[in-house]
Amino acid sequence: KAGVTQTPRYLIKTRGQQVTLSCSPISGHRSVSWYQQTPGQGLQFLFEYFSETQRNKGNFPGRFSGRQFSNSRSEMNVSTLELGDSALYLCASSLEWQNYGYTFGSGTRLTVV
Amino acid sequence: GESVGLHLPTLSVQEGDNSIINCAYSNSASDYFIWYKQESGKGPQFIIDIRSNMDKRQGQRVTVLLNKTVKHLSLQIAATQPGDSAVYFCAENYGAGGTSYGKLTFGQGTILTVHP
Repeated sequence: KAGVTQTPRYLIKTRGQQVTLSCSPISGHRSVSWYQQTPGQGLQFLFEYFSETQRNKGNFPGRFSGRQFSNSRSEMNVSTLELGDSALYLCASSLEWQNYGYTFGSGTRLTVV
Repeated sequence: GESVGLHLPTLSVQEGDNSIINCAYSNSASDYFIWYKQESGKGPQFIIDIRSNMDKRQGQRVTVLLNKTVKHLSLQIAATQPGDSAVYFCAENYGAGGTSYGKLTFGQGTILTVHP
């Protein structure tokens, strides 16, 4: 079966712009989590969605937001981009919150210039 | 606070050797642990997981050991191969719901290099 699909793979944006990243979970998976990966901070949790509801949120500013659609696909948005937002953004999906075997996508590499 | 740390940032081994990657965690409430492998340009790949009611779990060529007394986790890779070269992350979660939903706390990672 298809894995977790993230689009686009690469993105270059200018400071002050906004960006939307997309994640399609494995078919049947209803939980989607987002992470930011940087060399300095490692992998950090952004938020988690289940059945179109955000159930958990990490310690990121309000510029970072997300949503989930009825087909479990998820998007995250970053507004007013800063240079420090340059990172690999990863999403992971799992069947339900009890199933912790999160499967990750290959990520979207965002570069802010 | 919540943190998962690794003792060694790099590990270099010869092909065929056994590798051991260590991880210390600080949250005694964590009840689920995962090891991931991340290759360049790819997302983390699930290797093996273990719940806190176990102290050992084996997979294909890999074994995870959990010592809750000292809050230590290790990944053993048998007969390490060049294809095992990657960054390895441990991650933890406490499955009580609420603030744990979907939230894995990752260690910094260990770079494993396997020499032919």
